[in-house]
Amino acid sequence: DIVMTQGALPNPVPSGESASITCQSSKSLLHSNGKTYLNWYLQRPGQSPQLLIYWMSTRASGVSDRFSGSGSGTDFTLKISSVEAEDVGVYYCQQFLEYPRTFGAGTKLELK
Amino acid sequence: EVQLVESGGGLVQPGRSLKLSCLASGFTFSNYGMNWIRQAPGKGLEWVASISSSSSYIYYADTVKGRFTISRDNAKNTLYLQMTSLRSEDTALYYCATTNYWGQGVMVTVSS
Repeated sequence: DIVMTQGALPNPVPSGESASITCQSSKSLLHSNGKTYLNWYLQRPGQSPQLLIYWMSTRASGVSDRFSGSGSGTDFTLKISSVEAEDVGVYYCQQFLEYPRTFGAGTKLELK
Repeated sequence: EVQLVESGGGLVQPGRSLKLSCLASGFTFSNYGMNWIRQAPGKGLEWVASISSSSSYIYYADTVKGRFTISRDNAKNTLYLQMTSLRSEDTALYYCATTNYWGQGVMVTVSS
């Protein structure tokens, strides 16, 4: 199984500052088709997860351009520029290259 | 508006069975692969099972293989999860989801 390892944030994050969340996969998620099979989700308190980023760097419909995804085949970063109150929650990375689909353990973002 | 509405959860004794349903609307259900993903209380996300649009391909997490069965009825826009031989560790909020959309979840509690 592909293991997804997420880093922690130096919480709380001051409002208006940027925040970067890291995720590492135990196997390259870069397919021969050139696409990287990684999603980022945000789960706000008491809500269902929401897709933020797919194919490592493509923003989902309606997602603020303050969110950006980047990385290589095994190391990934979700950057949130100018953190706002609505960004509070737990962020998950997920690989969809292979079954079983696997998620990282989650990274909590708290606002100062 | 896309909606995924889960039902069928509840309190069940260990070893018993339960069947979850997910009614989809607002998109062409028969065109999409579907997933069940669960979240134990206070824990992260765990992928449970996936089914392709025509039910040709089905995958399960090792933790549920042989006990859970995912299925769908495209005529009824409904996804199912038949759960048997339930264990206390199956206690979780079960989400029906595509990549982009998640339901609100249905709680399953396995306890004597």
